[in-house]
Amino acid sequence: ETGVTQTPRHLVMGMTNKKSLKCEQHLGHNAMYWYKQSAKKPLELMFVYSLEERVENNSVPSRFSPECPNSSHLFLHLHTLQPEDSALYLCASSQDLAAARETQYFGPGTRLLVL
Amino acid sequence: GDSVTQMEGPVTLSEEAFLTINCTYTATGYPSLFWYVQYPGEGLQLLLKATKADDKGSNKGFEATYRKETTSFHLEKGSVQVSDSAVYFCALIIQGAQKLVFGQGTRLTINP
Repeated sequence: ETGVTQTPRHLVMGMTNKKSLKCEQHLGHNAMYWYKQSAKKPLELMFVYSLEERVENNSVPSRFSPECPNSSHLFLHLHTLQPEDSALYLCASSQDLAAARETQYFGPGTRLLVL
Repeated sequence: GDSVTQMEGPVTLSEEAFLTINCTYTATGYPSLFWYVQYPGEGLQLLLKATKADDKGSNKGFEATYRKETTSFHLEKGSVQVSDSAVYFCALIIQGAQKLVFGQGTRLTINP
C-alpha cells in the first residue's frame, strides 16, 4: 500500500463516545499533520508532528488528543465531542516540516458525524 | 496575517470551456504558492506549485503563474473536461513556516 491512508473513512459517534482516527503514511516522511475541513470554511490545521514530537497545536480543544507513536503513524483520539465537531478530518505528511518548497501529501480523510 | 482569497463558487462550465479560478494572497514573508484539488470522496492532491515570482506551475493542462506585483496565482485551463469536476484550493506557505494557509475552496462542475 502506498501514500497516506486513513481509517475509518466514515464515523458516526455520540457525544459521550470515545473513538480514535488513524493515519498511516508509507512515504518515509518525518512530519505529519491533522487538518479539519468543515463545510464552507477553509481547511484548519490542528496539529503538526515532526519526528514524533508535537510542534504545533493550533488552539484545539482538549477533547481532541493527538498521538504519534512513530513517524509512520498518527492518531487523533476523540472524546465528548460536540455536534459542531462534525467535519472531514484530513491527515497529511511531508518529508520534513513544511518549508517553502515542501509538498504535503494528504489522505482521503475520515468523515465524522457527531450526534 | 497570512491569508488566501479565492473566487466564490460554485463554478459551472460546459465541457471544453476555458477555466479561470482567481486566487489572491496576503503574506508577511515570501511565500510559495500551491493549487490542490479534491475529487469527490477523496483527500487533497497537489495539482501544481510555484516557489518564486514569475514561476509558472503546470500539470494536467492546468497552469498558474506566480504574480508578485498583483499578489495573485490564478488557475487556468484552456479546455476543461467532465473529469475536472472537483473542489480546488489555493494555498500558500511562508518560507520557514510550518503551516499551509488555504483558501476556502472553489467547487467546479463541468457539464457534458
